[in-house]
Amino acid sequence: SAVISQKPSRDICQRGTSLTIQCQVDSQVTMMFWYRQQPGQSLTLIATANQGSEATYESGFVIDKFPISRPNLTFSTLTVSNMSPEDSSIYLCSAAGLDGYNEQFFGPGTRLTVL
Amino acid sequence: GENVEQHPSTLSVQEGDSAVIKCTYSDSASNYFPWYKQELGKRPQLIIDIRSNVGEKKDQRIAVTLNKTAKHFSLHITETQPEDSAVYFCAASQGAQKLVFGQGTRLTINP
Repeated sequence: SAVISQKPSRDICQRGTSLTIQCQVDSQVTMMFWYRQQPGQSLTLIATANQGSEATYESGFVIDKFPISRPNLTFSTLTVSNMSPEDSSIYLCSAAGLDGYNEQFFGPGTRLTVL
Repeated sequence: GENVEQHPSTLSVQEGDSAVIKCTYSDSASNYFPWYKQELGKRPQLIIDIRSNVGEKKDQRIAVTLNKTAKHFSLHITETQPEDSAVYFCAASQGAQKLVFGQGTRLTINP
């Protein structure tokens, strides 16, 4: 399985500011994704991070609010822009396609609180 | 798009008994069905998965069954132990593509 790390693990931010979350995988993977998980809820996909091209966003999520980068096969960033308290959540990255397999593994998550 | 429904939302069983969680999916093109266990404050952990060319898969005390015709799949945990207490999520995808998750089941094992 792939080892996935995220930075920061948690942060408390002021309304109107932006936070960039980093996701690092220890192996080259085909696919990387960003999810949001509200407390006590399921995981909701924000976008698929495409290497070398623009991310593919799910309904309800837009690039201006959640810009994503993926400069190579092991690293991606998610920025939460112009934050409001409604953005308080856990943000998780995941990776799939290691060695051609379907298994998707998750990072430890970033707990974001917006005041 | 794909929609995954999961039941029950909460499940409480006596230690040593079996637990079953069921999911249905809508997209017949989905061909990969993983199950994740998430303990409080931790990341989702893949515990078992099944592909559409297989009807059942076992790994020690856990098993997953898939009925492609009915578009449903189930997680079975036998001889439950206190450490099985967690939230379990089913999901569906087409290969190594985006996962669509069920709503989750909070499983409590009573000693």
